[in-house]
Amino acid sequence: SQKIEQNSEALNIQEGKTATLTCNYTNYSPAYLQWYRQDPGRGPVFLLLIRENEKEKRKERLKVTFDTTLKQSLFHITASQPADSATYLCALGHYSGAGSYQLTFGKGTKLSVIP
Amino acid sequence: GAGVSQTPSNKVTEKGKYVELRCDPISGHTALYWYRQSLGQGPEFLIYFQGTGAADDSGLPNDRFFAVRPEGSVSTLKIQRTERGDSAVYLCASSPLERSPLHFGNGTRLTVT
Repeated sequence: SQKIEQNSEALNIQEGKTATLTCNYTNYSPAYLQWYRQDPGRGPVFLLLIRENEKEKRKERLKVTFDTTLKQSLFHITASQPADSATYLCALGHYSGAGSYQLTFGKGTKLSVIP
Repeated sequence: GAGVSQTPSNKVTEKGKYVELRCDPISGHTALYWYRQSLGQGPEFLIYFQGTGAADDSGLPNDRFFAVRPEGSVSTLKIQRTERGDSAVYLCASSPLERSPLHFGNGTRLTVT
């Protein structure tokens, strides 16, 4: 069956350190992968998109890697700050078979950055 | 500019009742999506519109759920004979093109008592 797994439900790190979140998938052939941030009571907010033929993308303190052989994406936040505390969602863009591309989400990892 | 707007933000209804949830996407966005999110879970796909037509409704759990987008902008998700298991946050998202990043609203929290 198809699965998207994010490494842990919760991750606590010290302020200033690099946070690394993992997204693994099975039985998908994603054309692209996206990462979103979600704060309590709010909808997800898009952060980064990486395509199947790209290895790495960066945006300010954020970095995403995509390894289609390992079927894994890593999401890094460098020099983490308490304001980075949120739930981070991995989402695979894949052909749904109904004639369109569908974005399927993982459960998310709740990141807490401790001052 | 204005983001995706969803109304109401909260809806409490009794089991068996009918509810309508509204989504106002970003102007000009042709793609519109409905997702459902339960506590501690990621958003679960329900339906995708490209313009006025439902391009993919494979995520609708059963025939009690129906969605429309008659003029290619505002969309309404309709749930008949609500059940307690329908309680969740219903999220709407829009994007300018298929495969573009999604812009989400803040959702409607539906509670069925």
